[in-house]
Amino acid sequence: SSELTQPSSVSVSPGQTARITCSGDVVAKKYVRWFQQKSGQAPVLVIYKTSERPSGIPERFSGSSSGTTATLAISGAQVEDEADYYCYSAPDDRGFGGGTKLTVL
Amino acid sequence: DVQLAESGGGLIQPGGSLRLSCAGSGFDFRNYSMNWVRQAPGKGLEWISYISSTGATTYYADSVKGRFTSFRDNPKKSLFLQMKSLRVEDTALYYCMGGYFGSVWGQGTLVTVSS
Repeated sequence: SSELTQPSSVSVSPGQTARITCSGDVVAKKYVRWFQQKSGQAPVLVIYKTSERPSGIPERFSGSSSGTTATLAISGAQVEDEADYYCYSAPDDRGFGGGTKLTVL
Repeated sequence: DVQLAESGGGLIQPGGSLRLSCAGSGFDFRNYSMNWVRQAPGKGLEWISYISSTGATTYYADSVKGRFTSFRDNPKKSLFLQMKSLRVEDTALYYCMGGYFGSVWGQGTLVTVSS
């Protein structure tokens, strides 16, 4: 079982800020990454080192952490941001959270 | 283009063995650690194996430890996952993940364990 806990679903209206949390003791000790997976596609890295954004990822995606909880925020969420989102810690700490389905409608 | 491409999946009976391959291109494969990640139908991502850039260090999820072995051939820019004693619950789409902080993923190869 995952040592990272995520809400199973989050829903926002277009233009609102979506926040997805990821909780676990490892968050206080290790960097967190966030992956986006759209239906039928391979995952895409959207945040690494807890708050860094890879090139090509829109600025509306941001990451932060406080204590044992990391947060992925999508400001001004768009319909195209609908996807499953997974947090991930170092591989020797069991990997992925359970995933959060983001609905934007 | 920076790419990973998995192959080797298929239908296999419980208790059987299978070897998956992952070919890298467009980046300096030898400089990056690699991971295998799987996704059962309709389920979330499950990390199953890590291998360091040299292959000297490996980690495995408890669910596959002792049954799966990850290894790599850096001159051939290839990663492998040797799977044995396969179970029905190993049925999944298997991805390799690597590159800078896991920024590169393949499209996956499907493994179906069924009698």
